[in-house]
Amino acid sequence: EIVMTQSPATLSVSPGESATLSCRASQSVRSNLAWYQQKYGQAPRLLIYDASARATGTLARFSGSGSGTEFTLTISGLQSEDFAVYYCQQYNYWPRNTFGQGTKVEIK
Amino acid sequence: EVEILEFGGGLVQPGGSLRLSCEASGFTFTSYAMSWVRQAPGKGPEWVSGISVSGDRTDYADSVEGRFTMSRDNSKNTVYLQMNSLRAEDTALYYCASKKSGIRPFEYWGQGTLVTVS
Repeated sequence: EIVMTQSPATLSVSPGESATLSCRASQSVRSNLAWYQQKYGQAPRLLIYDASARATGTLARFSGSGSGTEFTLTISGLQSEDFAVYYCQQYNYWPRNTFGQGTKVEIK
Repeated sequence: EVEILEFGGGLVQPGGSLRLSCEASGFTFTSYAMSWVRQAPGKGPEWVSGISVSGDRTDYADSVEGRFTMSRDNSKNTVYLQMNSLRAEDTALYYCASKKSGIRPFEYWGQGTLVTVS
C-alpha cells in the first residue's frame, strides 16, 4: 500500500499570510495526486488534481506542485474561509488509492 | 446541480449487517465510476470499495474484502453497499464519491451516512 505522509499536522497562520503544506508518497505516484479541502461537518471537496491542476471553482490562490514522491499545496493570502483540514490523495495505483492523514490549517 | 445522497446508516451490533444506498443526480451517472469512502472520527478518508461504470467490476479494500459487496443500478442512478459481519472498526461516516473513468480523483462527494458498530 502506498503511504501518504502529510506535514505538518497543524499549521497556524495569520489571515493574509501564505501557507505551505507538504505531502510525501512512499513511492512514486507520478503526478496522480489530488488535494482536498474539508471543513467541519462537510465532505471533502476536490481542490487540485494531477498535482497542479485546479478543479472547477478552485480559486487562484490555491496552487499545487510536485511529482513523483514530493508534493506541495500553497495557499497564498489566506482568507477566513480557507481555515480547514487539507488532505492529499494518490490515485496512481487505482483502485488502491490512499489518503494522507491531513493538515489542519488554523488561525494564528 | 450535482447531488449525491447517502442513506442507510445507523447503529448495529458487532456481527450485524447494514445496506447503504447512494442516489446521484445532476451529472451523467453512466459516465462515472462510483466508490464508497469512509472516515472515522479525527482520521483521514479511507477508500472502501469501487465499482466500474457498467458495474461489471468491483474492487475492495483488504479491510472489507469478503464482508462488503458493492453494486449499482444505472436505471436508478443508485449504488449500494451491503455490509456484513460488521466490526467496531467499521464505525465511520461513509461517503459515496464519483470519479470519471480512468486514473482520476473523486470529483463529487455526498454528505455521508454514519455507521456505528457497537
